[in-house]
Amino acid sequence: ETGVTQTPRHLVMGMTNKKSLKCEQHLGHNAMYWYKQSAKKPLELMFVYSLEERVENNSVPSRFSPECPNSSHLFLHLHTLQPEDSALYLCASSQNPGLVGPQYFGPGTRLLVL
Amino acid sequence: EDQVTQSPEALRLQEGESSSLNCSYTVSGLRGLFWYRQDPGKGPEFLFTLYSAGEEKEKERLKATLTKKESFLHITAPKPEDSATYLCAVLTADRGSTLGRLYFGRGTQLTVWP
Repeated sequence: ETGVTQTPRHLVMGMTNKKSLKCEQHLGHNAMYWYKQSAKKPLELMFVYSLEERVENNSVPSRFSPECPNSSHLFLHLHTLQPEDSALYLCASSQNPGLVGPQYFGPGTRLLVL
Repeated sequence: EDQVTQSPEALRLQEGESSSLNCSYTVSGLRGLFWYRQDPGKGPEFLFTLYSAGEEKEKERLKATLTKKESFLHITAPKPEDSATYLCAVLTADRGSTLGRLYFGRGTQLTVWP
């Protein structure tokens, strides 16, 4: 595997379900990110992890819970989601902690909440 | 109100017909401006970073320029494989965040037909 991988690629869940999204980067980077991409809206940065520590939470509801067990893996735990949470969830990584440098994105998980 | 505005929303070009995409921003304290390309069903792919007015970057048929309030992505003699959505993102200084704030535009959907 190369670059940034995400699983699953597609996910359908009910509002009472609990699921997790997984991201893995094979680039030796030190920072990882979660983004939300909704139709016709700008990409929204959700969480930033730098060297496994969360350094940014952009007012994301608590029904989204990130976890970064090491610098290569990032999870997004989902519970009691709402239909408006349906979107493409993208993971990214970068060489240096922070937002200054280029980010490398995974293919995303397409989430549908029923 | 969007802090980053991209125009046009959609652009159709004939192969070989050069044109430019615009990214204008209203935020102050620019720390960097990024261009990404996104193909359907994939995550964004990094193209360029620009840091200061007057800076230019080139890659194959693409050239990015930056002024104090906008950036242009010039496409010279485009080919059908250049068809994609082009995203612009602006990183600004933010007193409330050591990382700054990252704002994405809604993108320009480019279609190049043979």
